[in-house]
Amino acid sequence: GENVEQHPSTLSVQEGDSAVIKCTYSDSASNYFPWYKQELGKRPQLIIDIRSNVGEKKDQRIAVTLNKTAKHFSLHITETQPEDSAVYFCAASIGGFQKLVFGTGTRLLVSP
Amino acid sequence: GAVVSQHPSWVICKSGTSVKIECRSLDFQATTMFWYRQFPKQSLMLMATSNEGSKATYEQGVEKDKFLINHASLTLSTLTVTSAHPEDSSFYICSARELGGGAGETQYFGPGTRLLVL
Repeated sequence: GENVEQHPSTLSVQEGDSAVIKCTYSDSASNYFPWYKQELGKRPQLIIDIRSNVGEKKDQRIAVTLNKTAKHFSLHITETQPEDSAVYFCAASIGGFQKLVFGTGTRLLVSP
Repeated sequence: GAVVSQHPSWVICKSGTSVKIECRSLDFQATTMFWYRQFPKQSLMLMATSNEGSKATYEQGVEKDKFLINHASLTLSTLTVTSAHPEDSSFYICSARELGGGAGETQYFGPGTRLLVL
């Protein structure tokens, strides 16, 4: 079945540095790739998404890039802040009802 | 906009009892809702897809007779964990997708329900 791999599992950066999280997917029919941020005990919150007809999307300090040929997409956070600390999940759509398969998550820690 | 609520937020029950969790889209209509389970420090695992007016579609390995799903209206889906056992203890999260969309609409997540079965 569809599989989404996510790396790294943990990422520690200093405040102000950039953070990059990478995901690969297996289903070439996937066409929607959201990124969610989840704080401890809270719901996942959508932070950015990209569709397969676009190669890059940016929203302030957050950007996502998609390489359909290689079947991988990445999340880039610039000028990180301590409040960016959370677990980040990538996901890829599958199936006619647009189910999402989630990556394993990346725990980001931004130190002041 | 796009608010999803879940009730209850947490529940503790005895082994063998049934627990019902409600998922509501508050300001939009959702033809499709999804139920996930998340164990500590793990990812979200899709359990089933709930479609208004039809039977739910369960993922492989999820027992449909144990996890009963009812999507009675465009704003409400319920998950009932029947005869709950300690291994069913987990964080259950629903999400809803807005009516009328094509491929790739955003899924909005509820706040989750933490279930502890003693």
